[in-house]
Amino acid sequence: SQTIHQWPATLVQPVGSPLSLECTVEGTSNPNLYWYRQAAGRGLQLLFYSVGIGQISSEVPQNLSASRPQDRQFILSSKKLLLSDSGFYLCAWSIRQGRGEKLFFGSGTQLSVL
Amino acid sequence: SQQGEEDPQALSIQEGENATMNCSYKTSINNLQWYRQNSGRGLVHLILIRSNEREKHSGRLRVTLDTSKKSSSLLITASRAADTASYFCATVFQGAQKLVFGQGTRLTINP
Repeated sequence: SQTIHQWPATLVQPVGSPLSLECTVEGTSNPNLYWYRQAAGRGLQLLFYSVGIGQISSEVPQNLSASRPQDRQFILSSKKLLLSDSGFYLCAWSIRQGRGEKLFFGSGTQLSVL
Repeated sequence: SQQGEEDPQALSIQEGENATMNCSYKTSINNLQWYRQNSGRGLVHLILIRSNEREKHSGRLRVTLDTSKKSSSLLITASRAADTASYFCATVFQGAQKLVFGQGTRLTINP
């Protein structure tokens, strides 16, 4: 069966420090991968999605970047965190075929930038 | 914005009652999905309804879709305390490959 791992669960970082959040998927090949951010009590904002290794689409210009070095690995990074980067970050995957198939989410990372 | 919008933003009912949440969107869609999120956790997919479908059932869940009104509803029958969560609709717009989420409805089931 397919599983998605996202870590760490919580992270407290000072302003100006770097960030690296990792997400891996098991049990499937060639998934679409996504990074979402959720502000407290709000909906999800799509940050990045990827349809293949090295293929990254950015939805919102910001202080973050994403990379997909392997088929089932998706990394969210920042060189210098801002206070506004605080939030709940969610990784998700879907099957490659079709349009808009259902998403499977990781358990999320609560990032606090202080 | 293209995103779906849920209504109401918050709903509190007694255990055993039915809960209805609505979602409206603005442009033509391929499908509409409902997700549930327990506090501090990832989202869990509940049900997907395609644009050519009008109603789907899954256990105590019933989803309807009215493409002429660009709206959907999620009905949870015989609610339980464990149904307490936030519920989100998400739409896939024609020609797009990604889901756009609404702001969610916070559902509280009181024992």
